Amino acid sequence: EVQLLESGGGLVQPGGSLRLSCAASGFTFSSYAMSWVRQAPGKGLEWVSAISGSGGSTYYADSVKGRFTISRDNSKNTLYLQMNSLRAEDTAVYYCAKSRVSGSSSIRQARDYWGQGTLVTVSS
Amino acid sequence: EIVMTQSPATLSVSPGERATLSCRASQSVSSNLAWYQQKPGQAPRLLIYGASTRATGIPARFSGSGSGTEFTLTISSLQSEDFAVYYCQQYNNWPPGVTFGPGTKVDIK
Repeated sequence: EVQLLESGGGLVQPGGSLRLSCAASGFTFSSYAMSWVRQAPGKGLEWVSAISGSGGSTYYADSVKGRFTISRDNSKNTLYLQMNSLRAEDTAVYYCAKSRVSGSSSIRQARDYWGQGTLVTVSS
Repeated sequence: EIVMTQSPATLSVSPGERATLSCRASQSVSSNLAWYQQKPGQAPRLLIYGASTRATGIPARFSGSGSGTEFTLTISSLQSEDFAVYYCQQYNNWPPGVTFGPGTKVDIK
């Protein structure tokens, strides 16, 4: 059974940093691209970042480029999102999500499994 | 960036009735379009990918159609568990990445 469990959320002051983790199980983690998607309170879904199975390719939304860094440790089956220079508008539930397909085209696919999310609140 | 729009914003439907949700892309996304369902306090759930293929375990009352810039999600006979928000997502444009529509809320009439 595929499971994705996010952690690391919490309250942080503007300008601060936070690192989110997503522990994966039930599939061959290194074969699948992964993504972070966020949802501000009462709002819609916003794609944040994606990473290939090997970790060699990464992509970011313009809203987080230069501030957030996505990475993965395939030996630990864990996905990360390092968030720096946090702003109030980064307040959201952050979900990790798994690509539906493995292999070279994995990043260009829908996401079939999602974690339950971790809440990040940026406020003074 | 490809902009996704969805209509209507809210759809009021009686149980057992048919619901038709629309999604439009600002430029062609071929068939690289997915639909997700999200209930309050829950993560999104993949319903449809490739514009028309149901994901594993999704009931046959959910169907998707369209290609290019115009897409439709149809729920043939709404069940109580189908009242939720539905998002379309394009994943054709890499880079820069995927984009979601603003969502359609399906509520009880």
